[in-house]
Amino acid sequence: QVQLQESGPGLVKPSETLSLTCNVSGGSISSYYWSWIRQPPGKGLEWIGYIFDSGSPSGRANYNPSLKSRVNMSLDTSKNQFSLKVGSVTVADTAIYYCARQVGGAEYFDPWGQGTLVTVSS
Amino acid sequence: QSALTQPASVSGSPGQSVTISCTGTSSDVGSYNLVSWYQQHPGKAPKFVIHEGSQRPSGISDRFSGSTSGTTASLTISGLQSEDEAEYFCCSYAGTSIFFYVFGTGTKVTV
Repeated sequence: QVQLQESGPGLVKPSETLSLTCNVSGGSISSYYWSWIRQPPGKGLEWIGYIFDSGSPSGRANYNPSLKSRVNMSLDTSKNQFSLKVGSVTVADTAIYYCARQVGGAEYFDPWGQGTLVTVSS
Repeated sequence: QSALTQPASVSGSPGQSVTISCTGTSSDVGSYNLVSWYQQHPGKAPKFVIHEGSQRPSGISDRFSGSTSGTTASLTISGLQSEDEAEYFCCSYAGTSIFFYVFGTGTKVTV
């Protein structure tokens, strides 16, 4: 069965770039769409964007319009992993970041990674 | 794009039923029968329990059921058990020209 695991720095300074990677095991990254979703402490969920293997080197992505100007996603089929970068971060970007498999057509997210807390602070 | 509206909390006694509403708009819940529901225990990742409004995946108890009417989706948990105490989120597909996916505000279920 597919399993996902996020990794990356837990602390990022304001105005810098947040970088996370999601490692996929138990299935090929080329077979599905993959999303990033975040949850500020004690708050609700926010979809950040998804990426899929379109045949191009870094994949093809679509982003939440509210974050589009600061977000970039890519995937590495040779490592079976995909990545998230969020630029010019502020304290409002402090959240638990989850990666998840996205089931197209039925449009739901399953499974999810365990999540990783990223704190933006100087 | 506003989050889908859910009640902050609902509660019930063991064995009872509770229903959580998820109100959206004609651009999301009202346009697509593509609402999913997630259960989240404290400190854990969300777990998918319902897709396409009312479809329950294998391994999820038949005590969980979903429905949609107009711009409001609902999740009903029958025969409440202590392990059902958790936060529940709805999520709707919103089309590729808007926000793609919008989540609900979340509902804390207390047993």
